[in-house]
Amino acid sequence: DTEVTQTPKHLVMGMTNKKSLKCEQHMGHRAMYWYKQKAKKPPELMFVYSYEKLSINESVPSRFSPECPNSSLLNLHLHALQPEDSALYLCASSQARDTKYTGELFFGEGSRLTVL
Amino acid sequence: AQSVTQLDSQVPVFEEAPVELRCNYSSSVSVYLFWYVQYPNQGLQLLLKYLSGSTLVKGINGFEAEFNKSQTSFHLRKPSVHISDTAEYFCAVRWGDQGAQKLVFGQGTRLTINP
Repeated sequence: DTEVTQTPKHLVMGMTNKKSLKCEQHMGHRAMYWYKQKAKKPPELMFVYSYEKLSINESVPSRFSPECPNSSLLNLHLHALQPEDSALYLCASSQARDTKYTGELFFGEGSRLTVL
Repeated sequence: AQSVTQLDSQVPVFEEAPVELRCNYSSSVSVYLFWYVQYPNQGLQLLLKYLSGSTLVKGINGFEAEFNKSQTSFHLRKPSVHISDTAEYFCAVRWGDQGAQKLVFGQGTRLTINP
């Protein structure tokens, strides 16, 4: 069983909808990540939060808005998405940079998003 | 720019045969190396990692990998595969202090096990 939980597992939305993806971890990790994965491609980094602060934004369009309410939760707010945004969205967590950092990421099972 | 190359996009193998999935990266300066497996419709699961020490690393499900600094490679091996090993395999690299939290993935290798 994964220790990173993502909800919902599947989401279908129209281009004018507003929805959110949620991620939760209870491993005491202080870094959390959003990745986007298209079919037959590797995961692409979108955002990194370290100690609840946004540390990396990989030039992601503003229709994706991340939020880290506390050290265990990570949200991805979606608004006015395009059909090409359909993908598997993966959340991951890791130890933060200034602890016993190994770079190992723990992934959730993903939220499969379809934009109509 | 640092890069990770998985030389084979697809590898078909017969059940109980050995397999090697190849991974090369662009620079050997202070690297941390990982292999992840992704089963259909699932997230990524860590198979094994090299941080330091012995260059031969053993992971889960009978997989192992060898860090070769001079060849900047981290190839994944299994002596005898099973049908259940059918999955996508990703090599990933983190370079020293560069973008500390950035893990760069290779393009993936699709391992298909035939009976």
